[in-house]
Amino acid sequence: GAGVSQSPSNKVTEKGKDVELRCDPISGHTALYWYRQRLGQGLEFLIYFQGNSAPDKSGLPSDRFSAERTGESVSTLTIQRTQQEDSAVYLCASSLTLELFFGEGSRLTVL
Amino acid sequence: GNSVTQMEGPVTLSEEAFLTINCTYTATGYPSLFWYVQYPGEGLQLLLKATKADDKGSNKGFEATYRKETTSFHLEKGSVQVSDSAVYFCALSRRNTDKLIFGTGTRLQVFP
Repeated sequence: GAGVSQSPSNKVTEKGKDVELRCDPISGHTALYWYRQRLGQGLEFLIYFQGNSAPDKSGLPSDRFSAERTGESVSTLTIQRTQQEDSAVYLCASSLTLELFFGEGSRLTVL
Repeated sequence: GNSVTQMEGPVTLSEEAFLTINCTYTATGYPSLFWYVQYPGEGLQLLLKATKADDKGSNKGFEATYRKETTSFHLEKGSVQVSDSAVYFCALSRRNTDKLIFGTGTRLQVFP
């Protein structure tokens, strides 16, 4: 499809395990963003890529969180040693200009 | 720092009622302002935007005017429909390709 694709759509994991979340942006979009949306809360910025460099990582909540991007393509958000407070919907968006196009998110549940 | 404050929900209205969702912002310089909408079971999508003071963004009957003097970008619609039920997010961006800073979202529920 032509939109932003995220996988998995749902992930249930045990506390302490590592998880990887994947984002396929819209082809040609140079900017890619990761946000977190906890239940009943707003969107929390995590990290922003321009191409494969990350000029703004200010939102990553701890060193357990990391992200990488291959060129202007796929991005992976990795959470190591997951904790219950990591439970949230992780949203990816891509853009070429001012408008961000969002995926449907990956819902992470840490038991 | 830059931030967005929007009214808490839920906002509950009857069909054809007038809607206002308040949004104010704090930012240095001249940010661009946005309203995004999240329909049930769907991803966020851009509803409207305004890039400079006094601009009015409009889409699907919704409007918002960029008011620099009051640092506001209130969302309005003259007659809501049940299909407008969703969560609405106000957001700002300081410059092109910069991150969006979102408000906490306002849930709108429209009943027939």
